[in-house]
Amino acid sequence: EVQLQQSGPEVGRPGSSVKISCKASGYTFTDYVMNWVKQSPGQGLEWIGWIDPEYGSTDYAEKFKKKATLTADTSSSTAYIQLSSLTSEDTATYFCAPGTRDWFAYWGQGTLVTVSS
Amino acid sequence: DIQMTQSPASLSASLGETVTIECRASEDIYNGLAWYQQKPGKSPQLLIYNANSLHTGVPSRFSGSGSGTQYSLKINSLQSEDVASYFCQQYYDYYTFGAGTKLELK
Repeated sequence: EVQLQQSGPEVGRPGSSVKISCKASGYTFTDYVMNWVKQSPGQGLEWIGWIDPEYGSTDYAEKFKKKATLTADTSSSTAYIQLSSLTSEDTATYFCAPGTRDWFAYWGQGTLVTVSS
Repeated sequence: DIQMTQSPASLSASLGETVTIECRASEDIYNGLAWYQQKPGKSPQLLIYNANSLHTGVPSRFSGSGSGTQYSLKINSLQSEDVASYFCQQYYDYYTFGAGTKLELK
């Protein structure tokens, strides 16, 4: 059974950074890219980017190229997203979702990031 | 970037009714479209992929159709557990989601 366990809620001060994790199990971690998706409060979904854990290659939506950094640790089957220079616009729930560059059959439970001074 | 226009934004329907949600892409996405259901506080759940293929375990009252730039999700015989938000997603060229449709019971 595919499982994606994300880290708990984060509170970040404006201008700071936060790092969220997504631990995968039930499949071979390096067989699928890991996508990250943002959902702002009461809003729709935005794709942030993906990382290929096998090669460490990444691709980002233009909007998130200076905001998000994706990494992965194959030894622990864990993907990470770091969000930098936090502003109120970054307050959202962030999801991880593995895929083969098409639909997302599995999603993590989501991690709420709140930016507050 | 491909834009996805989803309608309606909200929908109120009665139990047993048939509802349809639509998504229009800004260009041809060649059936590279998925539909998701999301309940409050939960992650999205895949319903349909490749525009009309039912994901494993999804009830057959859900169906998808369309081609080119126009796609739709139909829910037959609405059940109480179908109250949720629904999103379309194109994956033909990177990923773009529709703004969502909030489905409520009348």
